Amino acid sequence: GAGVSQSPSNKVTEKGKDVELRCDPISGHTALYWYRQSLGQGLEFLIYFQGNSAPDKSGLPSDRFSAERTGGSVSTLTIQRTQQEDSAVYLCASSEGQTLKPQHFGDGTRLSIL
Amino acid sequence: AQSVTQPDIHITVSEGASLELRCNYSYGATPYLFWYVQSPGQGLQLLLKYFSGDTLVQGIKGFEAEFKRSQSSFNLRKPSVHWSDAAEYFCAVAVSGGSYIPTFGRGTSLIVHP
Repeated sequence: GAGVSQSPSNKVTEKGKDVELRCDPISGHTALYWYRQSLGQGLEFLIYFQGNSAPDKSGLPSDRFSAERTGGSVSTLTIQRTQQEDSAVYLCASSEGQTLKPQHFGDGTRLSIL
Repeated sequence: AQSVTQPDIHITVSEGASLELRCNYSYGATPYLFWYVQSPGQGLQLLLKYFSGDTLVQGIKGFEAEFKRSQSSFNLRKPSVHWSDAAEYFCAVAVSGGSYIPTFGRGTSLIVHP
């Protein structure tokens, strides 16, 4: 595809349910990032994948959050036992590599926890 | 750790007027600086970046930014704003060492009056 694709674009779920958010990066991009954007806030870094290296999970806010990247391409962000404070837009970005290549962002998944 | 401050939450300008969005960073050495724009319901798009060299950098859509080391600033400017420039603008900083993951400011919302 031409750009970073995220699905679903919107997700509404009940508190306590698990959710999975998907990111399909630009083909050939080895670096993949997940960010959270809460209302009126900047982007909060969550997790970073670079090639086959161990991911940088330093931004994950709790152990309810996890992410994986299969085959160096598609990534899934999973939030278990969702809470209302998890409501936000979750953005995925990819880039060609580690050394400050421009990030290309998807349009995000808007997650609403009832 | 590095930090980014965008002191203006909202900026309102008239179409055709000049624009300056402020960004200040906190980091001891020379940072890598970025400006991104986010239109409603979309991901972020890179406007311009500064890594080294000429402190005045030109970007897309007629934007420019100037790196001022003495003021720890990287303000974004445009001489004449168009209605289509209404969006959220984010400044970001990355530092050497580690994974160069950018830290984003909270963003400035630009409102353009006809």
